[in-house]
Amino acid sequence: GQQLNQSPQSMFIQEGEDVSMNCTSSSIFNTWLWYKQEPGEGPVLLIALYKAGELTSNGRLTAQFGITRKDSFLNISASIPSDVGIYFCAGRQGGSEKLVFGKGTKLTVNP
Amino acid sequence: EAQVTQNPRYLITVTGKKLTVTCSQNMNHEYMSWYRQDPGLGLRQIYYSMNVEVTDKGDVPEGYKVSRKEKRNFPLILESPSPNQTSLYFCASSSRDRTPWVPGYTFGSGTRLTVV
Repeated sequence: GQQLNQSPQSMFIQEGEDVSMNCTSSSIFNTWLWYKQEPGEGPVLLIALYKAGELTSNGRLTAQFGITRKDSFLNISASIPSDVGIYFCAGRQGGSEKLVFGKGTKLTVNP
Repeated sequence: EAQVTQNPRYLITVTGKKLTVTCSQNMNHEYMSWYRQDPGLGLRQIYYSMNVEVTDKGDVPEGYKVSRKEKRNFPLILESPSPNQTSLYFCASSSRDRTPWVPGYTFGSGTRLTVV
């Protein structure tokens, strides 16, 4: 089945740095989602995007729905140690009730 | 507290021994789904259900069955488990009343299954 291309696979950063990750697809999606997963837990929805070009923030997190509808970006500003985890993008295509996930970006923040 | 509850959290079983992983939600959500998570592969959808008695295949349904007899419960059944079904499983639910809706709003904490 369809999968999303998420990059980078992992990131090692210093506390206070900004982080960017992205997700691309060869197909058009009409919903893009970003989740965070911490060890031993299920994914938690961070941001949902519904329109091409949409820019949405959730605290220090900002995500954008790409104009082409084939990509999305997540930025984290001024990272802190509790940002550690795996970040997943996910998308839903028009007319589909299924979610397709990226393989995740593992974020490590050094204090 | 609004939540999705999966049981068990951990399970070790032998090849061929039928098992059921339960999933229950207390939010009156119409949509429920099952995912498996494997290292390097992210989450892949197994089955989903739009409402009671309505189920459909996701991307990796082979070797799994589901049922949706009640709105709150969506069990995942492995009739004859094999080692390649060793994985971390997640159940998720969403309300269809939310517009636009998100097919993956609340996830459970996961079930780690090992088939030997």
